Amino acid sequence: QSALTQPPSVSGSPGQSVTISCTGISSDVGSYNRVSWYQQPPGTAPKLLIYEVSNRPSGVPDRFSGSKSGNTASLTISGLQAEDEADYYCSLYTSSSTWVFGGGTTLTVL
Amino acid sequence: EVQLVESGGGLVKPGGSLRLSCAASGFTFFTYSMNWVRQAPGKGLEWVSSISSSGTYIYYADSVKGRFTISRDNAKNSLYLQMNSLRAEDTAVYYCARMKTTPYYFDYWGQGTLVTVSS
Repeated sequence: QSALTQPPSVSGSPGQSVTISCTGISSDVGSYNRVSWYQQPPGTAPKLLIYEVSNRPSGVPDRFSGSKSGNTASLTISGLQAEDEADYYCSLYTSSSTWVFGGGTTLTVL
Repeated sequence: EVQLVESGGGLVKPGGSLRLSCAASGFTFFTYSMNWVRQAPGKGLEWVSSISSSGTYIYYADSVKGRFTISRDNAKNSLYLQMNSLRAEDTAVYYCARMKTTPYYFDYWGQGTLVTVSS
C-alpha cells in the first residue's frame, strides 16, 4: 500500500499562514484527486476539512484551503487562530479501493 | 443529525477476540459505504477496513487481513468488526466512519472505542 509523507510538525503565530504538505507518488496522489484532509484536536475524533483536493464541506471556514501540484497535495491555513491547534491528516483513496493516511502533522499556534 | 456510536472495546489478552459495533442513526444507513479506522495511542490514523453499502465489496488493510472481519446489518443500522488473533499492536482507538463515494472521503466519524491488547 502507498505511503503519504507529511511533516511531523508546523507552527505559526496568530494571523499568519501555514502550509502542510502531503507527498505521495505519481501513480496515486499525482494521478487522482481523491485526496482529503482531516483535523483532529486533542482527545477528539477526526473532522473532515477538505475533500477532492480543494473542496470545503459546508461549515468549514474559508481560511482552510487545499491544492495539489504533481505528487504533493497541500493544506493551507490562513489567519491562524488558537483553535486551529490540532493534528492534521491527509488521506488518499487508492485505485485498489483502499485508503491510506499520511503520518499526521501537529500544528502549534505560537 | 448523523450519529455513529461505537461500542465493544475493552481489554483482551493477546490471541483473543473482540467484536466491535457501530450504531448509526440520522441517515439512510443502507445507502452508504462504511469504514473502520484506528489510532494507536499517540500515533496517527490507520485505515482498517471498508464495506460497501450492500456488503458486497469488502476491503482490508494488509495488517489485519485474515484476522479481522467487517460486516453490517442494514436492518439494524449497524456496522461490526470481528477481531480475532489480536496482537499488542492492535491496541488502538477504533473509529467508525461514514464514507462518501465519488468524490471519496469520510464525512462523519464516531467518537471511537478503545481496544487494549495486553496480558
